[in-house]
Amino acid sequence: GAGVSQSPSNKVTEKGKDVELRCDPISGHTALYWYRQSLGQGLEFLIYFQGNSAPDKSGLPSDRFSAERTGGSVSTLTIQRTQQEDSAVYLCASSLQARDRGGAFFGQGTRLTVV
Amino acid sequence: AQSVTQLDSQVPVFEEAPVELRCNYSSSVSVYLFWYVQYPNQGLQLLLKYLSGSTLVESINGFEAEFNKSQTSFHLRKPSVHISDTAEYFCAVTRDQGGKLIFGQGTELSVKP
Repeated sequence: GAGVSQSPSNKVTEKGKDVELRCDPISGHTALYWYRQSLGQGLEFLIYFQGNSAPDKSGLPSDRFSAERTGGSVSTLTIQRTQQEDSAVYLCASSLQARDRGGAFFGQGTRLTVV
Repeated sequence: AQSVTQLDSQVPVFEEAPVELRCNYSSSVSVYLFWYVQYPNQGLQLLLKYLSGSTLVESINGFEAEFNKSQTSFHLRKPSVHISDTAEYFCAVTRDQGGKLIFGQGTELSVKP
């Protein structure tokens, strides 16, 4: 596709369940980011993948959060044993390469609601 | 580590008035700076960026931002706003050698008739 695609667009889950959020970056983009946006909050950095380098996981809030990027393309963010405070919009972004400061392109996000 | 501070969480202005949205950053290394905009119920879009060269950068819809290294600022300005500029604006920074993009808390610009 032409842009960053995220699925699902909305997800309602029960507290304690695991969820997987998917991101399809723009073809050829080597850098991929996950952010979390809560109501009234800014964009909280979660994790950053760049090519074959080890990901920067410094923003993951707990060990319940993990992410993978398979084949340098699609990424999945997994939240285990979801809690109500995990409710937020999860945004994925991609950019061409680390040194291409043309800016990151964002998907529309996945709105996660934990009930 | 880099960080970004947007000093104003909300900025209400009347149509055709000038506006300035403030952004300050902290970093011990050279940085690249960005402003993103999020219109109501839409995704984030890149508005403008500073990478190198001229410290004054402009967007296609009349916004401009000036990189001030001594004051570690990258304030966003527009001389005359429109109702359609109502949105949330995010300032972001990254090291010029690559790495994660760090965002400020956002400033909600509300333009009233």
